Amino acid sequence: AQKITQTQPGMFVQEKEAVTLDCTYDTSDPSYGLFWYKQPSSGEMIFLIYQGSYDQQNATEGRYSLNFQKARKSANLVISASQLGDSAMYFCAMRDRPQGGSEKLVFGKGTKLTVNP
Amino acid sequence: DAMVIQNPRYQVTQFGKPVTLSCSQTLNHNVMYWYQQKSSQAPKLLFHYYDKDFNNEADTPDNFQSRRPNTSFCFLDIRSPGLGDAAMYLCATSRGQGVGNTEAFFGQGTRLTVV
Repeated sequence: AQKITQTQPGMFVQEKEAVTLDCTYDTSDPSYGLFWYKQPSSGEMIFLIYQGSYDQQNATEGRYSLNFQKARKSANLVISASQLGDSAMYFCAMRDRPQGGSEKLVFGKGTKLTVNP
Repeated sequence: DAMVIQNPRYQVTQFGKPVTLSCSQTLNHNVMYWYQQKSSQAPKLLFHYYDKDFNNEADTPDNFQSRRPNTSFCFLDIRSPGLGDAAMYLCATSRGQGVGNTEAFFGQGTRLTVV
């Protein structure tokens, strides 16, 4: 079963507008972490934001915020005031500990964001 | 300063010729991961080490092996590369002391071409 689901293969947004990238997850581990990474065409994986399962408040990092809805098992990324340089692939990832196993980090399929001038 | 270093950045190998990709870290992290990422796809976890404990993904082909001789280094061995193994290979590390930690750190990747 897929553990991380990103339902938007591609998204478009106008420069300076906000955009939300969706991510839902599935885990039976009560202690887990959720991450968003940006991957530009150069291929490097750039960490954006982290949310722990026990964190009471939604994470924020500059223009990035994570809309964490634990009951719905969703962890959407909100990018405010989009910039042309935000055009990239965005991956949602989860780190948990599968039953009987050690913790591991798995990725969703990604969303390609294009920011239009 | 680079904290997770992958060598080489680009690797060309012949079909069927064994190849080794390397990853080193200066973070003293417990966990090291190897991912395969093909064009326009998500990174696919191949295996990971928690300290010396090796954890293989069920669908990772036997053609892929890994070694972790010490905390700092981890290697990915492809015993007989096929054309389908051409991809970006990403190494990442994390503290691994519980999920209250922050991000996994990635190297810049090795792009493997099989000819």
